[in-house]
Amino acid sequence: DAKTTQPPSMDCAEGRAANLPCNHSTISGNEYVYWYRQIHSQGPQYIIHGLKNNETNEMASLIITEDRKSSTLILPHATLRDTAVYYCIVRVFRETSGSRLTFGEGTQLTVNP
Amino acid sequence: GAVVSQHPSRVICKSGTSVKIECRSLDFQATTMFWYRQFPKKSLMLMATSNEGSKATYEQGVEKDKFLINHASLTLSTLTVTSAHPEDSSFYICSAKDSQTQYTQYFGPGTRLTVL
Repeated sequence: DAKTTQPPSMDCAEGRAANLPCNHSTISGNEYVYWYRQIHSQGPQYIIHGLKNNETNEMASLIITEDRKSSTLILPHATLRDTAVYYCIVRVFRETSGSRLTFGEGTQLTVNP
Repeated sequence: GAVVSQHPSRVICKSGTSVKIECRSLDFQATTMFWYRQFPKKSLMLMATSNEGSKATYEQGVEKDKFLINHASLTLSTLTVTSAHPEDSSFYICSAKDSQTQYTQYFGPGTRLTVL
C-alpha cells in the first residue's frame, strides 16, 4: 500500500473549518484514501473514504486532487471534541487478507476555544 | 457506522498469567478481523489478521505462541496474551471489516492491559 505524508500537528479555532492535508504521491489506481481519527485512549473512528471523486458525509468532506497524489479532509465547523489524531491511509480496495489498514503517525489536530 | 465492541476495557494482571480479550462485531458479520497494539504516544501497529475458521496471519516480529488468536465465528475474535510480562503492557485494539460498507474497517474501543 502507498505511503502517506501528513503534518505532525495543526491548530484550529473552534467554529472554523479545519483543513487537514495528506500527500500520497505513489498512490495506485486501485487504492482508496481513508481517513480515521483517534481521540485519546479510544479506538480509531472511521470518518470517510474515497477513490477519486470528492466525498461528503455528516462528519466531513474529502477533497482528492485530480492526479490523486494528495487529498484534504475538511471538518467544516470544528468543535473542541474534534481534537484528535487524524490518520490518512491509502489502502487497496479488495477483500483479501492482505488488504488492511497500516497506520502512520497522523496529524494531531488541536481545536482551540 | 458499524459497531465493534471489546471486553474488557481495562485489565490488570500479574506477570506470568494469561489474559483473554474479546472482540465482537455487533451489527455485522466479519470474516476478517485485525488486532493492533499501541504504545504510549505511538501509532497503531498491526499484530495479526484473523480470518474466520482459519489460522491467523501474524506480522513479522509478533510471536504467535504468545499472542493466541481465535476467530471461531463471524462476530467474535479473541486475543489471548499468554504468560504476560510487563513489556506486554499496552493498548490492544481490534478491528473488523464490514462487507456491507465496501470492506471498511471499524475499530473497537480498545483494551488497556497492565501487567504487574
